[in-house]
Amino acid sequence: DAGVIQSPRHEVTEMGQEVTLRCKPISGHNSLFWYRQTMMRGLELLIYFNNNVPIDDSGMPEDRFSAKMPNASFSTLKIQPSEPRDSAVYFCASSLGGRLGYTFGSGTRLTVV
Amino acid sequence: QQPVQSPQAVILREGEDAVINCSSSKALYSVHWYRQKHGEAPVFLMILLKGGEQKGHEKISASFNEKKQQSSLYLTASQLSYSGTYFCGTEIRSNFGNEKLTFGTGTRLTIIP
Repeated sequence: DAGVIQSPRHEVTEMGQEVTLRCKPISGHNSLFWYRQTMMRGLELLIYFNNNVPIDDSGMPEDRFSAKMPNASFSTLKIQPSEPRDSAVYFCASSLGGRLGYTFGSGTRLTVV
Repeated sequence: QQPVQSPQAVILREGEDAVINCSSSKALYSVHWYRQKHGEAPVFLMILLKGGEQKGHEKISASFNEKKQQSSLYLTASQLSYSGTYFCGTEIRSNFGNEKLTFGTGTRLTIIP
């Protein structure tokens, strides 16, 4: 299996622009998670889906952030408009539950200038 | 709430042992442990469910005291490959019965020859 695939690996954008991050979970995994990692806050859960349905989005910082999972093999995290404080590494992870833990993607390093 | 890890950082010589602690203020369903190397994604090490002690891979094991809401990760005869930042992730079952991991602050482990 190719694992969890995220794109792009790096994104540099100007403040005010729209940013879309993409994630393909491992086939068969029924849970998908979006995390953000910064030095100050560590790994923060933004939102998670179970069977393509958003379960908990309480970690989404503002209305500028939105996430979708139109099918079992694809999810997006969108920031519109982006701000410099959104700069971070964004990880997508998927899980089958039980004792198997989460499998993380390689992450997207977002820099907003 | 974010679990608290201690110590924040530790430096060991190859072959020495280490213990990393993780504590939560809430009743836990499970505890996960992950290791993240610089510039890479977190990698799942093991999961503990309610009082179970589980041997992971290599010489890494962990325990979970559900009454104290604490978990400890034990690294025995450390190797250079053990270097990285270790995160605990605590799971509190949501009303939907789905997993939701909150990650700790991390412990940076450095192994020197």
